[in-house]
Amino acid sequence: AQTVTQSQPEMSVQEAETVTLSCTYDTSESDYYLFWYKQPPSRQMILVIRQEAYKQQNATENRFSVNFQKAAKSFSLKISDSQLGDAAMYFCAYRSAWKTSYDKVIFGPGTSLSVIP
Amino acid sequence: ETGVTQTPRHLVMGMTNKKSLKCEQHLGHNAMYWYKQSAKKPLELMFVYNFKEQTENNSVPSRFSPECPNSSHLFLHLHTLQPEDSALYLCASSQAAGASLTEAFFGQGTRLTVV
Repeated sequence: AQTVTQSQPEMSVQEAETVTLSCTYDTSESDYYLFWYKQPPSRQMILVIRQEAYKQQNATENRFSVNFQKAAKSFSLKISDSQLGDAAMYFCAYRSAWKTSYDKVIFGPGTSLSVIP
Repeated sequence: ETGVTQTPRHLVMGMTNKKSLKCEQHLGHNAMYWYKQSAKKPLELMFVYNFKEQTENNSVPSRFSPECPNSSHLFLHLHTLQPEDSALYLCASSQAAGASLTEAFFGQGTRLTVV
């Protein structure tokens, strides 16, 4: 079974600085998707960024970028120029690309990010 | 706004009550999910429906009963719950495998308190 681990329960960053959130996962599959979701205090879970395992190029979405290391099964999120609105719970998630189990989106325990003004 | 709507946003119920949570999406998605989010615990997948058929029941107690009458609506019927069932219940939907968008879209959740 696949598992997702986030080893940092809490992180903090100074406004305008850069922070990296860690995520590792375990799978025997070769084709899958990885996601970072953000859950602010409003509780709405929002997709931040997505990575397809077959793509070697790291995904980037404005101030958010990932460092995807497939061999190491590592998928970290870098937030540049941190803003107060970035304060939230961040979840790393895994989804198999196989049709029989594609519907299982497995989440890590989350990292609570605080942004210091 | 993600396109997934959950009602009610808050619910307080007694252990002998029967209530239902509702989830609605008009994104054209084929899969819908119920997740339970408790404090200090990872998100727990409860149920998955694909094309209105239940494809996953993650060992959820029978006091939780899902219903998916069509691809746009998902319900979670609750009866004789326990205080430990108090949590945030999140609904999500996604497209089927092979689609260009693979991520799940979430509702805002129902904060359930069992007294």
